[in-house]
Amino acid sequence: SQQGEEDPQALSIQEGENATMNCSYKTSINNLQWYRQNSGRGLVHLILIRSNEREKHSGRLRVTLDTSKKSSSLLITASRAADTASYFCATSDYKLSFGAGTTVTVRA
Amino acid sequence: SQTIHQWPATLVQPVGSPLSLECTVEGTSNPNLYWYRQAAGRGLQLLFYSVGIGQISSEVPQNLSASRPQDRQFILSSKKLLLSDSGFYLCACFRGHQTGELFFGEGSRLTVL
Repeated sequence: SQQGEEDPQALSIQEGENATMNCSYKTSINNLQWYRQNSGRGLVHLILIRSNEREKHSGRLRVTLDTSKKSSSLLITASRAADTASYFCATSDYKLSFGAGTTVTVRA
Repeated sequence: SQTIHQWPATLVQPVGSPLSLECTVEGTSNPNLYWYRQAAGRGLQLLFYSVGIGQISSEVPQNLSASRPQDRQFILSSKKLLLSDSGFYLCACFRGHQTGELFFGEGSRLTVL
């Protein structure tokens, strides 16, 4: 199965700034999903984008998908301290494959 | 809505001891169930998945085994733990087959000493 790879590994920003992280994958997909994990907790689903979609919004989250480049980006606008977490992309066939994640730290 | 219970939440075990981690799901029937392991600061590694009672697929050959004795119960076991079995174990189920979105439990942290 394929696996998404997130970039950068870590990101530190000031509260109110935007945070952008990227995900690359290797083969064709049905959909791509983003998850958040707070320290020591389970993962929480954030947003799903289908292969025929190019952009999707959910609150302060914006996800783009470029199937020609096999890449996706997650943008968090107007970041808050509560956004501090690790973010994972996952590609879907009969099971989800996760990358190593991007750790985002939002400084007050 | 779905709920996943995992226990124990934290476990410290000596090398060579047995292991049993349990996962139960509420609010859904006939779920696809998954065990993932996350090493410190790393991504998730899929260990096992199950599409029904008694049906287990192993993704990675290792010191662990899984069983599904009931529709909404998924158990991760080992007869003899290794140091390398330490990690954060997450149980998950599909929210819905159409999207493939996963719903996760809160995890069980295992430390093998």
